[in-house]
Amino acid sequence: QSALTQPPSASGSPGQSVTISCTGTSSDVGGYNYVSWYQQHPGKAPKLMIYEVSKRPSGVPDRFSGSKSGNTASLTVSGLQAEDEADYYCSSYTGSNNYVFGTGTKVTVL
Amino acid sequence: EVQLVQSGAEVKKPGESLKISCKGSGYSFISYWIGWVRQMPGKGLEWMGIIYPGDSDTRYSPSFQGQVTISVDKSISTAYLQWSSLKASDTANYYCVLAYSYSSRAFDIWGQGTMVTVSS
Repeated sequence: QSALTQPPSASGSPGQSVTISCTGTSSDVGGYNYVSWYQQHPGKAPKLMIYEVSKRPSGVPDRFSGSKSGNTASLTVSGLQAEDEADYYCSSYTGSNNYVFGTGTKVTVL
Repeated sequence: EVQLVQSGAEVKKPGESLKISCKGSGYSFISYWIGWVRQMPGKGLEWMGIIYPGDSDTRYSPSFQGQVTISVDKSISTAYLQWSSLKASDTANYYCVLAYSYSSRAFDIWGQGTMVTVSS
């Protein structure tokens, strides 16, 4: 199972928006509406930000949104804030209770 | 409060065996799958596998099948990740994860991580 493909980096100024893509195949992203996004700050455990493509857990700001088209999912962070600077990973269900993560994207707030 | 508490950091030599643990609390331990995720130093997250404590049904990522063993002891609400012969390439931070609150396919509860260092 190959990792989902994400851009290595993305950046934006405070208040701007940034969108991160996550490209897989019809066996993972395209085959299931079970795409999640995780935020990881340095030295910390990842935190669930989006589940089932576009749903937000309680406590996650509505500046975070998710979508999917075909084999590519996307995470958009609107109104960037300094605390959004982190690594972001997508994940997809692949069937038989297995999963695959994306390669990760480092978001920098300029 | 639902939480996963992992065992402490380990330093081992190549060829040694190791078993790290993840203790669940605040929920029905036998009713939720617990997964394991590897993060090598400076690298991304990798899915290793998952176990259902109720019946020990275990699924491994193809990349980790045969390399590690995932197990559970229901009596003490603890899941384990085990190596029989460590390699330097096993040096990583290992997280246990739980899909509890939102979806059976999204991991909202993470352990604090166990750093494993394998060096001669």
